[in-house]
Amino acid sequence: EDQVTQSPEALRLQEGESSSLNCSYTVSGLRGLFWYRQDPGKGPEFLFTLYSAGEEKEKERLKATLTKKESFLHITAPKPEDSATYLCAVQAGGYNKLIFGAGTRLAVHP
Amino acid sequence: ETGVTQSPTHLIKTRGQQVTLRCSSQSGHNTVSWYQQALGQGPQFIFQYYREEENGRGNFPPRFSGLQFPNYSSELNVNALELDDSALYLCASSLYSGNEQYFGPGTRLTVT
Repeated sequence: EDQVTQSPEALRLQEGESSSLNCSYTVSGLRGLFWYRQDPGKGPEFLFTLYSAGEEKEKERLKATLTKKESFLHITAPKPEDSATYLCAVQAGGYNKLIFGAGTRLAVHP
Repeated sequence: ETGVTQSPTHLIKTRGQQVTLRCSSQSGHNTVSWYQQALGQGPQFIFQYYREEENGRGNFPPRFSGLQFPNYSSELNVNALELDDSALYLCASSLYSGNEQYFGPGTRLTVT
């Protein structure tokens, strides 16, 4: 069964303290891995798509990387406005549906 | 470019009632997917619509049904509401040939 696991469940950082969020997956035929940011009570906001092992994408203080079994979202020198839940999702096989992990709740304190 | 919109924002229903949620897809997108997100969980896939037909369904009972219209907007209908149906319902639009799905703000449904 296709499965996505994110860790840690919650992360508290001081402003400027860099860290990484992990997304491990078990799927048959990965078509794409997606990172989203979700603010409380809002819909997920698309960040990145990664398609193959070794691929990297960057956007401002965020960098996403992909291996054959997991993806990392690196946050460099975070600011309080980076506080949100970060969701990882995969598309696999012949289906267009996204399979999500439970997310990592990130809190960045000044 | 207009993003994905959903209505209503919030809804309170009683167990056993029926509800209809609406979604307008992003300009140029022809595929709509619906997800249910319980508090503290990731979104769970309900179904997807393409060319007005259901194109894939998750593990949800038949009382969850949907429609897609010629303008690519969509409805999610839930009959015989149960307390566990309380959740944030998310609509996402995409191009069928593309992978990225763009989400709307969601509808918060509370069943009492």
